Amino acid sequence: EAQVTQNPRYLITVTGKKLTVTCSQNMNHEYMSWYRQDPGLGLRQIYYSMNVEVTDKGDVPEGYKVSRKEKRNFPLILESPSPTQTSLYFCASRTGDRGGNTIYFGEGSWLTVV
Amino acid sequence: GESVGLHLPTLSVQEGDNSIINCAYSNSASDYFIWYKQESGKGPQFIIDIRSNMDKRQGQRVTVLLNKTVKHLSLQIAATQPGDSAVYFCAEKVRGTYKYIFGTGTRLKVLA
Repeated sequence: EAQVTQNPRYLITVTGKKLTVTCSQNMNHEYMSWYRQDPGLGLRQIYYSMNVEVTDKGDVPEGYKVSRKEKRNFPLILESPSPTQTSLYFCASRTGDRGGNTIYFGEGSWLTVV
Repeated sequence: GESVGLHLPTLSVQEGDNSIINCAYSNSASDYFIWYKQESGKGPQFIIDIRSNMDKRQGQRVTVLLNKTVKHLSLQIAATQPGDSAVYFCAEKVRGTYKYIFGTGTRLKVLA
């Protein structure tokens, strides 16, 4: 089954304690991206990756890092989480070619920073 | 999973009626549009898409209409069912980029 898998799905952590949210897709997609979803706002892009070792900032990259060492994985790293990063996070992927525009989402990771 | 949808506009429809959900998109350079359905505690699920060279596209029980003149997108759901209850939001892709702009969404409530 084609899917985007994120872990953990739910996490409560403390300010300043580094954490990583993993994301894996099994569709051989070149493009992967991280979004956060907050009340009253549409999905906002944090970082994206066009392919292995190619990453770039989205609209709200502050406080986040990413890496793309393998095509299927795109972890999101919060080096020193703050309460402002409490949010619902989604990883997404799509094919890199011109014909494939649909973007597929994971099930989401609820993160609470206290 | 509910807190994300607390401030959304809500559309309530009777089971069996048709639903129309609207979206105003922002960028005249957008060339591709998607409707997503998001159920509580789940990730956005693709429903239907449309390219900017079209003004209507139909799927199973769903129709998307695109009016580029006024930058308006709508999703029509025929014979709405209880399982259609969810948050629906639109997305636009800016031409020549991989940038997607997402709407804030509308909550659809289906009344029995």
